[in-house]
Amino acid sequence: AQSVTQPDIHITVSEGASLELRCNYSYGATPYLFWYVQSPGQGLQLLLKYFSGDTLVQGIKGFEAEFKRSQSSFNLRKPSVHWSDAAEYFCAVGPNQAGTALIFGKGTTLSVSS
Amino acid sequence: DVKVTQSSRYLVKRTGEKVFLECVQDMDHENMFWYRQDPGLGLRLIYFSYDVKMKEKGDIPEGYSVSREKKERFSLILESASTNQTSMYLCASRTPDNYNEQFFGPGTRLTVL
Repeated sequence: AQSVTQPDIHITVSEGASLELRCNYSYGATPYLFWYVQSPGQGLQLLLKYFSGDTLVQGIKGFEAEFKRSQSSFNLRKPSVHWSDAAEYFCAVGPNQAGTALIFGKGTTLSVSS
Repeated sequence: DVKVTQSSRYLVKRTGEKVFLECVQDMDHENMFWYRQDPGLGLRLIYFSYDVKMKEKGDIPEGYSVSREKKERFSLILESASTNQTSMYLCASRTPDNYNEQFFGPGTRLTVL
C-alpha cells in the first residue's frame, strides 16, 4: 500500500541549531515528493518539491531536502533554525500522473527554543 | 500567484444542519480537492474533482458530498452535520501540468455543536 511515514511527531530544536525532519515513503514507482509547512491557523505552503534529476533540492526559507531512492526517504533539512520556523511540516508523495491526489504523512510539529 | 480562497475561516454549526463549504481558485486549474485535517491524523482526502461536474471519492467520503458546477468553484456539503465532523477543512487545486503540485487555501475550521 502507498504510504508516507513521518516518524517524529514533535521535535524541539534550539534557535540557530540545525534541523532534519524525516520522511519515508512506500510507493510502487518513483513518486513526486513534496514538503509543505503549515503555520498555526493557516493553510499549507509548499516548501520544496522533487520530480526528477538532482536528488538534492532547494526550497524556500533556506530549506533543502534530499531524495534517497535506496532508503525511500526524502528528509528535510535546514542548517540554522529561526524562531519563525516553528510550525507543522508535512511530507507528501504523489504519483507521476495527472489528476491524482497526494498522500500526506501525519506531520511533524517543530518547536524552536531560545 | 495562484490563489485559493475558502468562504469562511471559522464556522460554527449545530448538529443536523446542512453545511456548505466553498472553495474558489483563480488559476483555471482542472483538479480540485477537499481534505480534512485532524490532530495526529494529518490530511485525509474527502473528495476530489477532475473537472467540472466530475467527482471521485477519497479516503473518507462518508457524510459528505461535493458539487463542481463551475471550473473555479468546488463546494463541500455536509448534508446533516454531526459533532464528529468538527475539524479543519482544507481545499486545494492542482497545477495543469503533470507534476501534481497542489496549492492550498487557508482552511475552514468547522465546529459542530
